[in-house]
Amino acid sequence: DVKVTQSSRYLVKRTGEKVFLECVQDMDHENMFWYRQDPGLGLRLIYFSYDVKMKEKGDIPEGYSVSREKKERFSLILESASTNQTSMYLCASSPRRFGADTQYFGPGTRLTVL
Amino acid sequence: AQRVTQPEKLLSVFKGAPVELKCNYSYSGSPELFWYVQYSRQRLQLLLRHISRESIKGFTADLNKGETSFHLKKPFAQEEDSAMYYCALRKNTNAGKSTFGDGTTLTVKP
Repeated sequence: DVKVTQSSRYLVKRTGEKVFLECVQDMDHENMFWYRQDPGLGLRLIYFSYDVKMKEKGDIPEGYSVSREKKERFSLILESASTNQTSMYLCASSPRRFGADTQYFGPGTRLTVL
Repeated sequence: AQRVTQPEKLLSVFKGAPVELKCNYSYSGSPELFWYVQYSRQRLQLLLRHISRESIKGFTADLNKGETSFHLKKPFAQEEDSAMYYCALRKNTNAGKSTFGDGTTLTVKP
């Protein structure tokens, strides 16, 4: 059974703080993703990584960066948190095989920036 | 660029009634389409994908390339179907990124 875990379920930070969100998957998937989930805006891709040290911007990368030093771990970094980054953050992973590239999601981290 | 539109943010039906969640897409190539579901206090998970052509939990979805639609249907809704549903599109040239719609919250009333 695929397991995608995220370091925190709830996080409260102050404006200007540097924030790290960690995601770990245990199925040797090549692809990993970070999304924001906001009411009425659906699921928006922040960043995507298709291999170690490889990353690609998604639809809303501004204010975020990512790190993928190991295949199983994908970190989302908010260099200087702002209140408009208060959101639910979802991590996902998938194998890079056509026909089998279902995305498996983590439980989410609800981040509040005060 | 590809785009996925779910025109209904909220959909409410009574138990036993048919339900259809609409999904329209725009993409010039040949896409792969998915439906994901998120039940209350659970993580987002795949419901079905068009290439599988299977029925999951009584739901089916047919890709209509002429109308660029991938509507999700169930003939008799159950209360446990209440959830958030997302339609997603992936280019067939990229086994990776998907574009998600804004989601539809389905409520099945007793």
